[in-house]
Amino acid sequence: NAGVTQTPKFQVLKTGQSMTLQCAQDMNHEYMSWYRQDPGMGLRLIHYSVGAGITDQGEVPNGYNVSRSTTEDFPLRLLSAAPSQTSVYFCASSDRDGDGYTFGSGTRLTVV
Amino acid sequence: AQSVTQLDSQVPVFEEAPVELRCNYSSSVSVYLFWYVQYPNQGLQLLLKYLSGSTLVESINGFEAEFNKSQTSFHLRKPSVHISDTAEYFCAVNYGGATNKLIFGTGTLLAVQP
Repeated sequence: NAGVTQTPKFQVLKTGQSMTLQCAQDMNHEYMSWYRQDPGMGLRLIHYSVGAGITDQGEVPNGYNVSRSTTEDFPLRLLSAAPSQTSVYFCASSDRDGDGYTFGSGTRLTVV
Repeated sequence: AQSVTQLDSQVPVFEEAPVELRCNYSSSVSVYLFWYVQYPNQGLQLLLKYLSGSTLVESINGFEAEFNKSQTSFHLRKPSVHISDTAEYFCAVNYGGATNKLIFGTGTLLAVQP
């Protein structure tokens, strides 16, 4: 039982490059979400999904795209990376009840 | 608006002293409440949660939190801290509804000194 798997664990990008952060869960959870963690700001919600084919914006969606073609996968795309997107990114999933969330181990992204 | 407030960004405390980390949330009919802990350079670990029932919930390592509906608070306490408790602690709230969004506070760094 792998839980929530995030790849890569570390990434360095140049300004303007694009990349996709991968997130996969094997618990058949309906709800998945992406957060970014910055010092002094806690975890802020970027995008979330309540099921395959359904996504919505969170608190800080600008510069990020998501899609949910399957229940298991919820990739986060940076189309044109900016230094302001340097952060630690966490993916999480939950069942329909929302009474327990499983977090991935995080991706540390640096944009230079 | 749905929000979670952790007023203390840092709480320094001596080893074996008691500690309270405060968490308040914006009012709602029913909520699920969570405390997460993050040790240096690690991911998030669930410390404890309140879903329903008894308003006092406990963790396996001696922390406890009490749900207070009238004050919309969910403060975290420990009667005697250890050096190993040094970490950042996040309060989070699921306000329910169709989205199950989990909203986090800004975190409190608990710094235990010998």
